[in-house]
Amino acid sequence: GQNIDQPTEMTATEGAIVQINCTYQTSGFNGLFWYQQHAGEAPTFLSYNVLDGLEEKGRFSSFLSRSKGYSYLLLKELQMKDSASYLCAVTDSNYQLIWGAGTKLIIKP
Amino acid sequence: ETGVTQTPRHLVMGMTNKKSLKCEQHLGHNAMYWYKQSAKKPLELMFVYSLEERVENNSVPSRFSPECPNSSHLFLHLHTLQPEDSALYLCASSQGVSGANVLTFGAGSRLTVL
Repeated sequence: GQNIDQPTEMTATEGAIVQINCTYQTSGFNGLFWYQQHAGEAPTFLSYNVLDGLEEKGRFSSFLSRSKGYSYLLLKELQMKDSASYLCAVTDSNYQLIWGAGTKLIIKP
Repeated sequence: ETGVTQTPRHLVMGMTNKKSLKCEQHLGHNAMYWYKQSAKKPLELMFVYSLEERVENNSVPSRFSPECPNSSHLFLHLHTLQPEDSALYLCASSQGVSGANVLTFGAGSRLTVL
């Protein structure tokens, strides 16, 4: 079966750095997405990786290793507003989107 | 308005009621989706529409009935629901129906079935 694994919950301190991991086992690979979802709000697009390596967007970076079936989302200079759930999703060989259960990130002062 | 708008934001219904969820997108997208989001579970894709034609129905019980009258509007009609159907129902749209497209989500309709 197809599976996406990510930690259920993580806690980090304001101003620090946190890395949220995502591992996947899917039938083929056509890209990996990260979405951010604040409580009671819509998920919003953060990043899309289709090639190996690191993509940087301001304080957020996303890394992909296709050979390892692994990605991470790196958040730097954490702010209280970064408290949210982070959803990892993979597009498989049939261009179907497979979702992880999300990681709830709690930022403490 | 811009983006994807869902109404109502909250809905409480009994098992014998009939209600509808509404979704509207003003992005000019060709594809629209209904997802079910339950706590600590992955998003479950329910229905996909491309240019008003249903292209996917992921074995969803018939008590959920979608309707897409045009490319900007999507409805989910609810009838004789069960308590386990309580969840957040998310509508999304994208430029194309392929899973490689970025999804724009609405804020969701929180459904409670008593």
